Amino acid sequence: SAVISQKPSRDICQRGTSLTIQCQVDSQVTMMFWYRQQPGQSLTLIATANQGSEATYESGFVIDKFPISRPNLTFSTLTVSNMSPEDSSIYLCSVSRGKNEQFFGPGTRLTVL
Amino acid sequence: TQLLEQSPQFLSIQEGENLTVYCNSSSVFSSLQWYRQEPGEGPVLLVTVVTGGEVKKLKRLTFQFGDARKDSSLHITAAQPGDTGLYLCAGAVNSGYALNFGKGTSLLVTP
Repeated sequence: SAVISQKPSRDICQRGTSLTIQCQVDSQVTMMFWYRQQPGQSLTLIATANQGSEATYESGFVIDKFPISRPNLTFSTLTVSNMSPEDSSIYLCSVSRGKNEQFFGPGTRLTVL
Repeated sequence: TQLLEQSPQFLSIQEGENLTVYCNSSSVFSSLQWYRQEPGEGPVLLVTVVTGGEVKKLKRLTFQFGDARKDSSLHITAAQPGDTGLYLCAGAVNSGYALNFGKGTSLLVTP
């Protein structure tokens, strides 16, 4: 498994502002992902964070709204830009060392007023 | 379009009862994973099934992968209040790393 931490654990933000979420892993991992879990919903993949290159975004998610950085094999950030109440959600990072397992961080609970 | 359909969506049972949760799809998956998520936490991986027809047991939990690798089930024997949580199935399509998640089954086990 992997020990994954996220900062902040929760935040309340004003619309129009941006928030950067950090994800730190205790060891090097090949793949890192960012997911969104809206209230009462399941997880939706936002993007794959690629080390040394631009993230790969899923349909419906764009870099201008959710810029992602991955400067090394243990760290990634997700920024939620120009926030609106519809962005209120739990944002989760996950890591994978192999194709048959993913491990999730505790999540960041974001509320946009 | 939801790739993975889970049923039931909600389940409330008493301690000691048995239950089965289903995860179905029209797509073939290279593997299926089951997670449990408790409020305020991220999903925790319970098991990964890879081979069609595979059965895995984890204490009181039994996981089965369909022969055609399109569906899976989770059976809990003698449920306990500690089993309460959101159970999610997730599948990797085309042998990739990214996962598609079902909507989850919210389980409540009362003493």
